[in-house]
Amino acid sequence: AQKVTQAQTEISVVEKEDVTLDCVYETRDTTYYLFWYKQPPSGELVFLIRRNSFDEQNEISGRYSWNFQKSTSSFNFTITASQVVDSAVYFCALSYTGTASKLTFGTGTRLQVTL
Amino acid sequence: NAGVMQNPRHLVRRRGQEARLRCSPMKGHSHVYWYRQLPEEGLKFMVYLQKENIIDESGMPKERFSAEFPKEGPSILRIQQVVRGDSAAYFCASSPMTSGRDTQYFGPGTRLTVL
Repeated sequence: AQKVTQAQTEISVVEKEDVTLDCVYETRDTTYYLFWYKQPPSGELVFLIRRNSFDEQNEISGRYSWNFQKSTSSFNFTITASQVVDSAVYFCALSYTGTASKLTFGTGTRLQVTL
Repeated sequence: NAGVMQNPRHLVRRRGQEARLRCSPMKGHSHVYWYRQLPEEGLKFMVYLQKENIIDESGMPKERFSAEFPKEGPSILRIQQVVRGDSAAYFCASSPMTSGRDTQYFGPGTRLTVL
């Protein structure tokens, strides 16, 4: 069975602070994919990143960076110099590489960025 | 290139009525997934469909819920005799292929309220 844990229910930061959102996963599959999605107050789900289990290189995209550590089964997400527009619920998700690859989501972390 | 379309965006039903939710996948995508998000929770997988086939319905409640993805037209998630506990956001996602290496792109969701 697969499981994704986002222990941080809610985080509040002041604009320009850096913030890290934690994601820990469990799976018996040897190959799998990890995802982050953003759900802003408007409610839609926005895809941010996909990472496969063979690629442990960290990734940076603008102010966003992701740290994948297979040894600790973690896929953490850091926002540098946070902005009010980053306020949203962020979901980490896991799928395996076979067919019918449904996503298993964590419960989400609500990030509130204030001025 | 239009994204995943869902309608209606908001749906209000009284207990005992039927709810019909529609999803048109992205152009070129032939695989559709339905997820349910209860208030303050993460998304839970319901069903995965290809054109005219249900591939995985392991997350679907055994009664009152059904889904289809006909050869022509959108995918439909049908909930018969709705109850208050069905109130949730229902998201549809699509991908071009079956395997987990393809990202699922989500629609804006349908918010169902059962009075």
